[in-house]
Amino acid sequence: GAGVSQSPSNKVTEKGKDVELRCDPISGHTALYWYRQSLGQGLEFLIYFQGNSAPDKSGLPSDRFSAERTGGSVSTLTIQRTQQEDSAVYLCASSLYRTDFYGYTFGSGTRLTVV
Amino acid sequence: TQLLEQSPQFLSIQEGENLTVYCNSSSVFSSLQWYRQEPGEGPVLLVTVVTGGEVKKLKRLTFQFGDARKDSSLHITAAQPGDTGLYLCAGGESGYALNFGKGTSLLVTP
Repeated sequence: GAGVSQSPSNKVTEKGKDVELRCDPISGHTALYWYRQSLGQGLEFLIYFQGNSAPDKSGLPSDRFSAERTGGSVSTLTIQRTQQEDSAVYLCASSLYRTDFYGYTFGSGTRLTVV
Repeated sequence: TQLLEQSPQFLSIQEGENLTVYCNSSSVFSSLQWYRQEPGEGPVLLVTVVTGGEVKKLKRLTFQFGDARKDSSLHITAAQPGDTGLYLCAGGESGYALNFGKGTSLLVTP
């Protein structure tokens, strides 16, 4: 597609339920990132996929968070046993290699509300 | 984690005024990027600067990268309501994900 697509755009879930957030990056972009943005906060790095390399998971806040990227394209971020503090906008971005030079293209995000 | 501090946090000005926002770090970056984010949307890349002392212009926006590649500024001339948004700076190193500042929220009123 022409841009980064994220689904769903909004998700309301009950505390303790699992959720899956999907990201479809720009075709040909080898790098894919997940960030979290809470109200009044900047973007918090979660995880980074680069080609076939092992992902950089250093930003995942707990073992309830996991992500995979299938076939070097679509990625799914899974949050198990959701908590209220997980409420945030989850942003996905993709880029060509050399991320420090080319910059990111972001999706519009998934707004997650845990009630 | 390489921290980026942005100032001011909030800025409210009238149309036609000039403004400067700042992005500072104690770390050296191979590049620094500026993004603008509007409500309900993801950030959109405005510019990438890679050379110390580099100045780039995008219409009424002027971006500067510090000589030591630790800081940057964004200057807007004759601000317009369409410039309203959250301005984010992000520092990068090859092979690593970008680190983002918390942003400057700009409101330009007619």
